[in-house]
Amino acid sequence: DAGVIQSPRHEVTEMGQEVTLRCKPISGHDYLFWYRQTMMRGLELLIYFNNNVPIDDSGMPEDRFSAKMPNASFSTLKIQPSEPRDSAVYFCASSLTAGSSEAFFGQGTRLTVV
Amino acid sequence: RKEVEQDPGPFNVPEGATVAFNCTYSNSASQSFFWYRQDCRKEPKLLMSVYSSGNEDGRFTAQLNRASQYISLLIRDSKLSDSATYLCVVNMGNAGGTSYGKLTFGQGTILTVHP
Repeated sequence: DAGVIQSPRHEVTEMGQEVTLRCKPISGHDYLFWYRQTMMRGLELLIYFNNNVPIDDSGMPEDRFSAKMPNASFSTLKIQPSEPRDSAVYFCASSLTAGSSEAFFGQGTRLTVV
Repeated sequence: RKEVEQDPGPFNVPEGATVAFNCTYSNSASQSFFWYRQDCRKEPKLLMSVYSSGNEDGRFTAQLNRASQYISLLIRDSKLSDSATYLCVVNMGNAGGTSYGKLTFGQGTILTVHP
């Protein structure tokens, strides 16, 4: 299995531009998570899906952020418009079930907004 | 209060030392607990789950105290390769089960093992 695949690995964009991050979870995993990591705040859960349905989006910072999961094998996190404070590493993770199962992380997308 | 709090660290220890990390969580309805390891500029990876009775995996021992809402990780005979950030992770389930899948990470504790 290729694991969780994220793209792009690195993204540099100008303030005000739209940014779309992509994730392909491990096949058969029912849960998908989007996290953001910064030095100041650590790993923050933004949103998670169960069977393609958003369950908890309370971590999404503001309306500029949106996430979708149109099918079991693909999810996107969109930032529009982007701001310099959005600069961070964004991780996607998936797990087989809730609760006691391991979450597998992708390699992350390092976003820089200038 | 943060949902998951860890020792701020960093910890700098010599090879062969024993080091312990602590973690507390705020939600008494939390269902499951883990320690993850994250190497520099890499993604987090599961180190071990934490069970109510305590569990051991080689040089690593994890303990859980539900009454005190406290988790610990003990590393014995530290190796240079143990240098990483250690993340305490809690499944913040609630009684209603509406957030059962939510994994919440602590800030992480940096460990550096030196020769």
